[in-house]
Amino acid sequence: EPEVTQTPSHQVTQMGQEVILRCVPISNHLYFYWYRQILGQKVEFLVSFYNNEISEKSEIFDDQFSVERPDGSNFTLKIRSTKLEDSAMYFCASKREGLYTGELFFGEGSRLTVL
Amino acid sequence: GENVEQHPSTLSVQEGDSAVIKCTYSDSASNYFPWYKQELGKRPQLIIDIRSNVGEKKDQRIAVTLNKTAKHFSLHITETQPEDSAVYFCAASDQGAQKLVFGQGTRLTINP
Repeated sequence: EPEVTQTPSHQVTQMGQEVILRCVPISNHLYFYWYRQILGQKVEFLVSFYNNEISEKSEIFDDQFSVERPDGSNFTLKIRSTKLEDSAMYFCASKREGLYTGELFFGEGSRLTVL
Repeated sequence: GENVEQHPSTLSVQEGDSAVIKCTYSDSASNYFPWYKQELGKRPQLIIDIRSNVGEKKDQRIAVTLNKTAKHFSLHITETQPEDSAVYFCAASDQGAQKLVFGQGTRLTINP
């Protein structure tokens, strides 16, 4: 069964450093997402991406965040200057069709620890 | 925007008993309501979903009910087993939105 894959599984970084989290969505999917989950809390929407552009973003997704689909297979989340409060599990997700049809598939997550 | 409230935050039941988790949503335009199960350190995985044109859906021991008028939906797990222990999240999405809005999660513990 195809899966969304994410790397790295865990990254530790110093405050102020740039971080890039990588995702390979399922190959025939068209909609891509980043969510985050602070330890013990709910899953929060960050950004959605379709047709090579951001379709929606949350208040969390400020100027420090960016997403890119550089080569037709990878989907990356960049945090330019990390803050302590960016420590969380970041989930990539993808979907074949529009959001209200079918299942959203999540990756295993990338745990980011900012020191 | 959409706001989803989920209760209870923790639930402990005896193996074999039933568990019920409830969610309410705020946006009457929402029409898709999935439930995700997340085991410790793992990704959320869809276990069942329901659309607003249906009042109830069942899949073996799992069922979901939807009351559009009251804007709430519930997950029912019957004959619970130890492997049902996990955190369960409800979510809602409307037809025009590009995202799911999740509830706060319910930590379900099945006691043997």
